[in-house]
Amino acid sequence: QSALTQPASVSGSPGQSITISCTGTSSDVGGYNYVSWYQQYPGNAPKLMIYDVTKRPSGVSNRFSGSKSGNTASLTLSGLQAEDEADYYCSSYTSSSTWVFGGGTRLTVL
Amino acid sequence: QVQLVQSGAEVKKPGASVKVSCKASGYPFTSYYMHWVRQAPGQGLEWMGIINPSGYSTRYAQKFQGRLTMTRDTSTSTVYMELSSLRSEDTAVYYCARRGSSTSFYFAFDIWGQGTMVTVSS
Repeated sequence: QSALTQPASVSGSPGQSITISCTGTSSDVGGYNYVSWYQQYPGNAPKLMIYDVTKRPSGVSNRFSGSKSGNTASLTLSGLQAEDEADYYCSSYTSSSTWVFGGGTRLTVL
Repeated sequence: QVQLVQSGAEVKKPGASVKVSCKASGYPFTSYYMHWVRQAPGQGLEWMGIINPSGYSTRYAQKFQGRLTMTRDTSTSTVYMELSSLRSEDTAVYYCARRGSSTSFYFAFDIWGQGTMVTVSS
């Protein structure tokens, strides 16, 4: 199972919006609405931000939103804040009853 | 509160095995599957496998077949991940992560342990 494809880095200025893409195949991202997104600060464990493509767990800011089109899922952060600077990973359930992660995207807030 | 507490850092020689523990608290242990995920230094997350603490079923990523064993002890609410025939490429932080309930987050990782650093070096 190959890793999902994410851009290595994205950046934006405070207040702007950015989008991180996550591309897989019809056997994972495209085949199921089971894409989730995680935020990870250096030295810390990941934190669930989005699940089932579009849903936000309680306590996660509504500035975070998710979507999917075909084999590509996306995470959008609106109203960028300095605290959003972190690594972001997507994950998808697969047709093999396993899970796969993306390579991760470093978000820099300029 | 719900938490997963992992065992401490390990240093192993190539060819050896390592066993990492993950003690769950704050929720019914046998009601939630547990994943193991690892992260090599400066690299991304890699899914290793999942165990059902209730039925004891497991599923491993193909990459780890034959080297990875997940077990659990319901009396102590602890899951274990044992990786054998270690090589330098296995140097990583190993995380346990709870699978969500059947009513929410079922295909996501909702609670994570703090991570256990495993270093493989001669």
